[in-house]
Amino acid sequence: GAGVSQSPSNKVTEKGKDVELRCDPISGHTALYWYRQRLGQGLEFLIYFQGNSAPDKSGLPSDRFSAERTGESVSTLTIQRTQQEDSAVYLCASSSGQLMAQHFGDGTRLSIL
Amino acid sequence: GENVGLHLPTLSVQEGDNSIINCAYSNSASDYFIWYKQESGKGPQFIIDIRSNMDKRQGQRVTVLLNKTVKHLSLQIAATQPGDSAVYFCAEKGGGTSYGKLTFGQGTILTVHP
Repeated sequence: GAGVSQSPSNKVTEKGKDVELRCDPISGHTALYWYRQRLGQGLEFLIYFQGNSAPDKSGLPSDRFSAERTGESVSTLTIQRTQQEDSAVYLCASSSGQLMAQHFGDGTRLSIL
Repeated sequence: GENVGLHLPTLSVQEGDNSIINCAYSNSASDYFIWYKQESGKGPQFIIDIRSNMDKRQGQRVTVLLNKTVKHLSLQIAATQPGDSAVYFCAEKGGGTSYGKLTFGQGTILTVHP
């Protein structure tokens, strides 16, 4: 597709369950980012992938959060043993380089019961 | 730590007026800035960007101004339309080893009245 695609668009799960969120970046974009947005707030950086370099994981809030990326395509963000404070919109973005604009998907709205 | 913030959380304007949304940043090493528009239920949409070696950049109906002396960024929207109603975020990318990650402000709600 022409834009960043994320799935699912909505996810409701029980506390303690694991969830996996998917991001398909824009074709050809070498950089991929995950952010978290709590209700009424700005975006918090989580993790960044650039080509074959080691990812920048400095924004991951705990070891329950992890992310993988296959080459320069799909990425998955996994949250283990979900907690209620994990409820948020998880946004993925991609760009063609470090000083190029990041283009966002519409996010996955995660609700932990 | 670094912080990007906004002076005004809400802005209401009449259709046809010009809008100015302001943003203050604290990281003097930031080398790249972006303005995003976010509508309800959608991801942020790129509006315009500017690199730190510039002080002004114009797009279609939008202008971004960067004042590095006072670490201030603004977004000007000409002839504001009801479709411009949304939350606007400024974002900065730190220089050096900050890679591409962006630090976002809290957002300004722009409401355009017809």
